[in-house]
Amino acid sequence: AQSVTQLDSQVPVFEEAPVELRCNYSSSVSVYLFWYVQYPNQGLQLLLKYLSGSTLVKGINGFEAEFNKSQTSFHLRKPSVHISDTAEYFCAVSDRTTDSWGKFQFGAGTQVVVTP
Amino acid sequence: DGGITQSPKYLFRKEGQNVTLSCEQNLNHDAMYWYRQDPGQGLRLIYYSQIVNDFQKGDIAEGYSVSREKKESFPLTVTSAQKNPTAFYLCASAMGWLATNEQFFGPGTRLTVL
Repeated sequence: AQSVTQLDSQVPVFEEAPVELRCNYSSSVSVYLFWYVQYPNQGLQLLLKYLSGSTLVKGINGFEAEFNKSQTSFHLRKPSVHISDTAEYFCAVSDRTTDSWGKFQFGAGTQVVVTP
Repeated sequence: DGGITQSPKYLFRKEGQNVTLSCEQNLNHDAMYWYRQDPGQGLRLIYYSQIVNDFQKGDIAEGYSVSREKKESFPLTVTSAQKNPTAFYLCASAMGWLATNEQFFGPGTRLTVL
């Protein structure tokens, strides 16, 4: 079984400043990693995912994340945020064991609040 | 226009009543999922289905039931046995049940028990 920890429940940031959202996971097997964004009262939308290959993954809306296997982390970054990035962000993990296929474990979420 | 629809958007229930939340997808996806979202707890898996006429319990299945009679439909019934049903419910689907497949989410149903 795997678990996901998002270290910050809320991150305030000024417009045009950089932001980093931290995600750590624990798993005894290889994992796939995902970041989703949720705008108020809406479903989740995929930002990016890591399956294999390059550890730096680029996603939509200028977001990127880096997979660090030794630190079991998958932190999300954006160099310059906009007001429209105000949302809740979820890190999710799935693993390759047969009985877990297709089942995601989600973190508790990080609320990003962008102010002018 | 492909996607996932959930209805209703808002639902109010009296204690002791069963209610059914609708989830429909036209993405031709095999796998479908139901999650419950509570503030500060992220998403928790209620039930999932990898194929028509088959479904599995997730982490918090008690007090819920589902059916999967058609590929495009995966309704969730919140029964009176669910002790604290007030929450935001999200339905998702994926092309297949492999762990690499991203999940696509519907807009959600907010259930409030009066």
